Amino acid sequence: DAKTTQPTSMDCAEGRAANLPCNHSTISGNEYVYWYRQIHSQGPQYIIHGLKNNETNEMASLIITEDRKSSTLILPHATLRDTAVYYCIVRVATNAGKSTFGDGTTLTVKP
Amino acid sequence: DTGVSQNPRHKITKRGQNVTFRCDPISEHNRLYWYRQTLGQGPEFLTYFQNEAQLEKSRLLSDRFSAERPKGSFSTLEIQRTEQGDSAMYLCASSSITTQYNEQFFGPGTRLTVL
Repeated sequence: DAKTTQPTSMDCAEGRAANLPCNHSTISGNEYVYWYRQIHSQGPQYIIHGLKNNETNEMASLIITEDRKSSTLILPHATLRDTAVYYCIVRVATNAGKSTFGDGTTLTVKP
Repeated sequence: DTGVSQNPRHKITKRGQNVTFRCDPISEHNRLYWYRQTLGQGPEFLTYFQNEAQLEKSRLLSDRFSAERPKGSFSTLEIQRTEQGDSAMYLCASSSITTQYNEQFFGPGTRLTVL
């Protein structure tokens, strides 16, 4: 699985968009980008995934650059409950095995 | 709640004791994973089952660790002769073979403290 690089921490004002970047410059053609988040003392929660097209669901949007070497998770209207550690993972979708987590980005949403 | 459940949520034990954790995956999920997470770090993969078969094990899974999934439903993770370095959150996740993108759904974890 490709290695990812994320900033250690970010702050965001409540109600504003939170944009969380992830670099995955060694991504392979068949590897997807997955995002999870982990609220304090809970298990990670799946957010969204994508291959090369931008994706949107009820939780977030995922923007993947054309060369697929980086991506951005967007929380359009951050709330205090979005304060969490956000993990970007790159893996082959059909690979049933492990997900390799880095240390993620700690997002703090401030009132 | 039909999510992944783990028991117990917290376990405090003395060094040298054995502990066992249980994971109940989402009912239709046939893939089950165990991860370990220490403070300030992301989850680290330990092992993975498809149905009752254990298909992958990490080097982190020393011979003191054993995981089973006897009937392809719930799973147990046992740690023998616990050490203080085993103190961590143990996370279980499940996924479905019918899901094209193999999203993994995590339980709340079991926090182990070894004194």
